[in-house]
Amino acid sequence: SQTIHQWPATLVQPVGSPLSLECTVEGTSNPNLYWYRQAAGRGLQLLFYSVGIGQISSEVPQNLSASRPQDRQFILSSKKLLLSDSGFYLCAWTSGSSSDTQYFGPGTRLTVL
Amino acid sequence: AQSVSQHNHHVILSEAASLELGCNYSYGGTVNLFWYVQYPGQHLQLLLKYFSGDPLVKGIKGFEAEFIKSKFSFNLRKPSVQWSDTAEYFCAVNVAGTYKYIFGTGTRLKVLA
Repeated sequence: SQTIHQWPATLVQPVGSPLSLECTVEGTSNPNLYWYRQAAGRGLQLLFYSVGIGQISSEVPQNLSASRPQDRQFILSSKKLLLSDSGFYLCAWTSGSSSDTQYFGPGTRLTVL
Repeated sequence: AQSVSQHNHHVILSEAASLELGCNYSYGGTVNLFWYVQYPGQHLQLLLKYFSGDPLVKGIKGFEAEFIKSKFSFNLRKPSVQWSDTAEYFCAVNVAGTYKYIFGTGTRLKVLA
């Protein structure tokens, strides 16, 4: 069966520090991968998605970036964190076809101080 | 740009009460519609989805939703809620043929025993 992992589970970082969050999927190949940020009262905001290795679509211009170095690995990064980057970051995957059910990871709680 | 509105941000019900959560979207073309649920301490998971066919769809745990194209709505219903339905509920829209999913802001449901 398919599983999705995210780490770390929680992270506290100072303003201006770099960020790297990792997401990996097991048990499937060629998944579509997604990064969302969940903020209280604002729902899930789509940040990036990828339909293949090296293919990244950005939905929200900001100081975050994403990369997909391997088929089942999706990384969210920042060179310098802002206070506004605090939130709950969720990774999700779907099968290769569009419009499929999304499967979500456990999330990373990021606090920027 | 596409958007999804969930007008009820917090709902409190007693057990056995009926539930209806509103979801409206803004897009004139073909869409795929989803309701996801996040139970306390658990991952987001699919409750039900509509792609085509019968506009009344049934999901897990006795939930159902009705797609009304003329109203751009996909409201979630359950005739009799249980304490275990306490969770946050998210409506999501996928524009058919694309890989993007747009989520609403979520509704926090609390069911009193």
